[in-house]
Amino acid sequence: DVKVTQSSRYLVKRTGEKVFLECVQDMDHENMFWYRQDPGLGLRLIYFSYDVKMKEKGDIPEGYSVSREKKERFSLILESASTNQTSMYLCASSLGAGAPYWPYEQYFGPGTRLTVT
Amino acid sequence: DQQVKQNSPSLSVQEGRISILNCDYTNSMFDYFLWYKKYPAEGPTFLISISSIKDKNEDGRFTVFLNKSAKHLSLHIVPSQPGDSAVYFCAARGSQGNLIFGKGTKLSVKP
Repeated sequence: DVKVTQSSRYLVKRTGEKVFLECVQDMDHENMFWYRQDPGLGLRLIYFSYDVKMKEKGDIPEGYSVSREKKERFSLILESASTNQTSMYLCASSLGAGAPYWPYEQYFGPGTRLTVT
Repeated sequence: DQQVKQNSPSLSVQEGRISILNCDYTNSMFDYFLWYKKYPAEGPTFLISISSIKDKNEDGRFTVFLNKSAKHLSLHIVPSQPGDSAVYFCAARGSQGNLIFGKGTKLSVKP
């Protein structure tokens, strides 16, 4: 079974703090993704990565950065947290294009509920 | 502009009846579609998918129908069970291998 773990289920931070959200997957997946989920807005893609040290901006990258130093780990960084970044953050992983059976499915972690006060 | 639309934010169905969740998309180049189910405080879990070369895919109680000419897909759950109560997201595969999600439909199945 694919397992995607996120470092914290709940996190409370103050405005202006630097916040690190960690995600680890154990299935040797090439692709990793960070989303945020907000009521009425669905899942919005922040950043994704196809390989180590590679990153691509998603739909809402402003205020965020990412790091992928190892294949299994993808970190989301809030350089200076703001109240409008209070949200549920979801990490996902998937096999890369060209994989034998290229299933496209993304496997999600349990999410981190971040509150910025 | 939203490329994947779920126009019903919520749906309520009686246990044992059929649930039909709808999804529309705007980009005719989308070639693969997925449905995810999400319970509160958990990550979404993959439910079922369909390639654009098919018009139907079935897995147990879940069937997805694709109408390419109408750019519309639907998820049918028969029979609906209380444990099916969750938020359902429709998604399409984007050109970079990313998934583009709709806003979700909250399904409530009443006993």
